[in-house]
Amino acid sequence: DQQVKQNSPSLSVQEGRISILNCDYTNSMFDYFLWYKKYPAEGPTFLISISSIKDKNEDGRFTVFLNKSAKHLSLHIVPSQPGDSAVYFCAASARGGGADGLTFGKGTHLIIQP
Amino acid sequence: DAGVIQSPRHEVTEMGQEVTLRCKPISGHDYLFWYRQTMMRGLELLIYFNNNVPIDDSGMPEDRFSAKMPNASFSTLKIQPSEPRDSAVYFCASSLVRGGGELFFGEGSRLTVL
Repeated sequence: DQQVKQNSPSLSVQEGRISILNCDYTNSMFDYFLWYKKYPAEGPTFLISISSIKDKNEDGRFTVFLNKSAKHLSLHIVPSQPGDSAVYFCAASARGGGADGLTFGKGTHLIIQP
Repeated sequence: DAGVIQSPRHEVTEMGQEVTLRCKPISGHDYLFWYRQTMMRGLELLIYFNNNVPIDDSGMPEDRFSAKMPNASFSTLKIQPSEPRDSAVYFCASSLVRGGGELFFGEGSRLTVL
């Protein structure tokens, strides 16, 4: 039973356009959400996070939006660049942001077309 | 600073053999995690340690899997006997005490069991 779902296994976007990656969750106890980025043959690296007390967090080209009523979050990348091509994992925590117990989605492979 | 170091990077073995994966966390990090990545299930948490003590091993699939952390700078994940369905990429990650959910991952150990 997947508590964190990324329903798009892959996404192709033109360079310079906006990339929108989506994530849904089922556990209402989740209160902290993170996005990780993974290149081939490397481990995932932290990208951006958001607490459930916020509905938006921005860091440069990356913005995460949280809709608690819909149990949905999204990652926006504007503008998309070739180096953004990677697998993006959505993760959630039910322990106030603590590192223990992160639940990950299966990932979305983002491909930026030149 | 060195990141999380895992060895071996690649392991090919035959069914029934013992496999030992190793991890050196980032110095000063109090949490250590073992994750497994497969196409079907994405990133699954197997076990995590806090201050060298196993806290939650509910993700360990079977008794064939065991993990130890004899000191703050070393952990092992052992599979005995290995089976083809254990083929996956195994990641080790570490983090500070309740550090906002940000995990630092190693590059992973790709295991193939024939």
